[in-house]
Amino acid sequence: QITVKESGPTLVKPTQTLTVTCALSGLSLSTNGVGVGWIRQPPGKALEWLALIYWDDDKYYRPSLKSRLTITKDTSKNQVVLAMTNMDPVDTATYYCAHRMVEASGAFDIWGQGTMVTVSS
Amino acid sequence: QSVLTQPPSVSGAPGQRVTISCTGSSSNIGAGYAVHWYQQLPGTAPKLLIYVNTNRPSGVPDRFSGSKSGTSASLAITGLQAEDEAYYYCQSYDSSLSGSVFGAGTKLTVL
Repeated sequence: QITVKESGPTLVKPTQTLTVTCALSGLSLSTNGVGVGWIRQPPGKALEWLALIYWDDDKYYRPSLKSRLTITKDTSKNQVVLAMTNMDPVDTATYYCAHRMVEASGAFDIWGQGTMVTVSS
Repeated sequence: QSVLTQPPSVSGAPGQRVTISCTGSSSNIGAGYAVHWYQQLPGTAPKLLIYVNTNRPSGVPDRFSGSKSGTSASLAITGLQAEDEAYYYCQSYDSSLSGSVFGAGTKLTVL
């Protein structure tokens, strides 16, 4: 059974860098075809895709946020990390990581419970 | 404002059938990119309902079905139940934006 679980700070100050971690279990990040994405959801608003990383270290970013985002993976820990620089109150959201379904054209089939991040001084 | 347009809300009585539309353009759904649907119950993470237009993951009741035509896709729910009350989101890929896009979501109310 594949599960993903997010962790990270609940509060960050404006201009700081947010780092959130996604722990994957039941599947190795080095397995051919595996992809993990980050999606966020501001309170009361829609889902917004942020970034995606594959087993072969191929990476994709939301173009409007690309300059602020870095996604990496640590195969030894089976974790994916997303860093977002220069945080602003508008970045307040629940940050989800999700497993990208293999050969399903971008569908995310396994989601974590999310980690709520508030940006405030 | 999302590039995938969904109605803000739909409603139906128990046992009825409802549909939720997801309208895109020639750079996403109309370009042939797959559409996926998610259900989000209050206070929980999204759950994959339909992938690649019409496919249901294991465990999703066959009351849920998806379709796609041209620049639009639809999610149909038959035999509406109280526990279906949730937000529903469509997702696709947009070549102009070079990434995944979600609709703004539709709130389903079971009367």
